Amino acid sequence: NAGVTQTPKFRVLKTGQSMTLLCAQDMNHEYMYWYRQDPGMGLRLIHYSVGEGTTAKGEVPDGYNVSRLKKQNFLLGLESAAPSQTSVYFCASSIGRRTGVTEAFFGQGTRLTVV
Amino acid sequence: SQQGEEDPQALSIQEGENATMNCSYKTSINNLQWYRQNSGRGLVHLILIRSNEREKHSGRLRVTLDTSKKSSSLLITASRAADTASYFCATDAGNYQLIWGAGTKLIIKP
Repeated sequence: NAGVTQTPKFRVLKTGQSMTLLCAQDMNHEYMYWYRQDPGMGLRLIHYSVGEGTTAKGEVPDGYNVSRLKKQNFLLGLESAAPSQTSVYFCASSIGRRTGVTEAFFGQGTRLTVV
Repeated sequence: SQQGEEDPQALSIQEGENATMNCSYKTSINNLQWYRQNSGRGLVHLILIRSNEREKHSGRLRVTLDTSKKSSSLLITASRAADTASYFCATDAGNYQLIWGAGTKLIIKP
């Protein structure tokens, strides 16, 4: 049982380049999330999805796009990378319940540097 | 904006001592969760406490929740070197999201 898998684990981009981060979960979870974590800070939500084919903006969505074409995958795209997007990116998933968000399972993170 | 605020930002104690960290939040919640993050790794869920619960235990962990004060505390008893990590609280305010605090960095000295 792999849980949540993120690829790649490390990446260096030049300003203006584009890339896609892939998140895959094998737990049949409805909810999926993309966060960024900067030094000394907690997680900030970029985008999230509550089901296949649906996405929504989080706290810091500018400069990012997402897609959830398949339930198990959640893709995060950077169309034109900027140095301010240097960060560690985490994907997470959780079961969707009417009573609220339950335990979130995290990937191991993608360390992105934009030069 | 961040919902949860952890206190203290950093805590250094001797192995075997108890560690207490606190979390305050701003809005009403469905539940509050605590997570651990080892350096450079993903977060791991520790415990969830629902808004109608006041205390919960899991092994050496004890979590309390005071909804009137909008605060929670995490107590780790008999600390071990392996407990060295950052600890985050996260709140579910009912909008499909978890809102995170900035974390408490815990160092256990041998």
